[in-house]
Amino acid sequence: KNQVEQSPQSLIILEGKNCTLQCNYTVSPFSNLRWYKQDTGRGPVSLTIMTFSENTKSNGRYTATLDADTKQSSLHITASQLSDSASYICVVSAGSSGAGSYQLTFGKGTKLSVIP
Amino acid sequence: GAVVSQHPSRVICKSGTSVKIECRSLDFQATTMFWYRQFPKQSLMLMATSNEGSKATYEQGVEKDKFLINHASLTLSTLTVTSAHPEDSSFYICSARTSHSTKETQYFGPGTRLLVL
Repeated sequence: KNQVEQSPQSLIILEGKNCTLQCNYTVSPFSNLRWYKQDTGRGPVSLTIMTFSENTKSNGRYTATLDADTKQSSLHITASQLSDSASYICVVSAGSSGAGSYQLTFGKGTKLSVIP
Repeated sequence: GAVVSQHPSRVICKSGTSVKIECRSLDFQATTMFWYRQFPKQSLMLMATSNEGSKATYEQGVEKDKFLINHASLTLSTLTVTSAHPEDSSFYICSARTSHSTKETQYFGPGTRLLVL
């Protein structure tokens, strides 16, 4: 069964500090891994997407890493801002372009609160 | 990036009535659209997958007669919650998948908050 586990469940940090969110997965066949940011009452917005061959991807203050051997990913947020307060969801896609079908497995998310 | 819209953004209805939610891909053609439901503090749960011009595929435990999905065109899918009950109150999110991307990208809509009284 495909699974995505995220840790921690929630995190509170001071504005300006850095933090790292973790994602472990057991998904096969692996297609790609995405990190989404979901503000309360809004739909998820894509931050990064990485395929098997990519081990790091940055988007501004967000940097995602992927270790396909250990099936782990992390999302590092630098110089946090109040607007970073949101849920961060790790999503792993299983499938292949040849088959033309993909299945997304969602983590439960990490709720990040950035306080002044 | 690609844009997916949903309408309405929130709706309040009486128990027993039906509610239709629209999902549109604004600047790309989506051969496949997905409907998710998210309860408070929970992750998104896939309800059904719809391909343009064919019947939707529902996940186990999702009643197809209660959650009617119509994917009439490459840019529009609708979800109708029939005979809504308070337990149907939730956050409904659609997503659309592009057909030409080698990375198989999905874009999510902003969600529709449904409250059934």
